[in-house]
Amino acid sequence: GEDVEQSLFLSVREGDSSVINCTYTDSSSTYLYWYKQEPGAGLQLLTYIFSNMDMKQDQRLTVLLNKKDKHLSLRIADTQTGDSAIYFCAEGASGTYKYIFGTGTRLKVLA
Amino acid sequence: DVKVTQSSRYLVKRTGEKVFLECVQDMDHENMFWYRQDPGLGLRLIYFSYDVKMKEKGDIPEGYSVSREKKERFSLILESASTNQTSMYLCASRSRWGNQETQYFGPGTRLLVL
Repeated sequence: GEDVEQSLFLSVREGDSSVINCTYTDSSSTYLYWYKQEPGAGLQLLTYIFSNMDMKQDQRLTVLLNKKDKHLSLRIADTQTGDSAIYFCAEGASGTYKYIFGTGTRLKVLA
Repeated sequence: DVKVTQSSRYLVKRTGEKVFLECVQDMDHENMFWYRQDPGLGLRLIYFSYDVKMKEKGDIPEGYSVSREKKERFSLILESASTNQTSMYLCASRSRWGNQETQYFGPGTRLLVL
């Protein structure tokens, strides 16, 4: 069945890099997404990658996609305290409105 | 910089009440979504609207209905609230054009049904 899995927690020191991992199961997914949710707020779409790409970089964010292993990762360089939040990955197929979300990874950045 | 707003941040209702959750977007997006978010379950789609007066059921539509009479407004209705509908409700809008996609979420409505 369709499922997206993430680890629950990640703790890093300010200035270090953070790597948040995600695995998905639907090989027909066209888009893979990363969202950030700060306390008491809705989700913010950070970035997305097409399934025919291996990597996408956007400022401090780097997304890596291993389609063979169905593994997606988000690397945050020079992590700041403002990056503390819950991060969700999601998959979606072209032409549909359905997204399958992971349960989120809570990132805590230690000063 | 308002993009997606939701009518209430917090709501407390009693079992059996009819509840309206309103969502408004100012980006002229055609697609709008209602999700509920529960701990350990991620986001689950309740309903999707791809245009005015158009809707599709999501994964958990039971106990909910929606209305989209104008492009900017998407309403979620709980016909008879029950305690298992206590949750965080998130509205979102989307534009997808070729390979470009934008999505915005509202701040959420935390609903408590007593």
